[in-house]
Amino acid sequence: DAKTTQPNSMESNEEEPVHLPCNHSTISGTDYIHWYRQLPSQGPEYVIHGLTSNVNNRMASLAIAEDRKSSTLILHRATLRDAAVYYCILRDLYNFNKFYFGSGTKLNVKP
Amino acid sequence: GAVVSQHPSRVICKSGTSVKIECRSLDFQATTMFWYRQFPKQSLMLMATSNEGSKATYEQGVEKDKFLINHASLTLSTLTVTSAHPEDSSFYICSAHLTNVANTEAFFGQGTRLTVV
Repeated sequence: DAKTTQPNSMESNEEEPVHLPCNHSTISGTDYIHWYRQLPSQGPEYVIHGLTSNVNNRMASLAIAEDRKSSTLILHRATLRDAAVYYCILRDLYNFNKFYFGSGTKLNVKP
Repeated sequence: GAVVSQHPSRVICKSGTSVKIECRSLDFQATTMFWYRQFPKQSLMLMATSNEGSKATYEQGVEKDKFLINHASLTLSTLTVTSAHPEDSSFYICSAHLTNVANTEAFFGQGTRLTVV
């Protein structure tokens, strides 16, 4: 299975942008890049996903490298409510059932 | 948006007893649901895939006789932890998808905190 590598933790100031990186050097052509976040004592929550092109939604933006071996989740203005563990996950188009979570990045947001 | 609900959110049981956790898709049908386990300060670990009308498929190292999964309808999957022991204490999470393709999001339940005493 394609794996992802993320920094263990990152820190940001409130109302500043945050760039959360993810490396997935063994990504295959059929893998979608998904991002989820998990607040303490809750189940994960969908953030964004993409295949090749950059994506924007109301929560965040996803920047995907041209070779697709890395991606960056961008929170444009971090709030205290964005403090969570962020997971970058690859979903295989043909074996989509398998959701393997890596260690994720714990984001701390300072007021 | 679609909602996946788990019940109970928190349960304490005595060692040796069994505990059932329910996972419901509230506004969509899910032929497949997934069960995860998460220990403190660790990531989620996929335990098994629950298939409506057929047997669940378990990940390597997960005891199927210990963690019984039943998916009796298109909106309900249950996980029963049999003969629970303190080492089974964990956060159990289920998920489901709207459609069976990779280009859609997964929805997760709020999780069930199991404490075995």
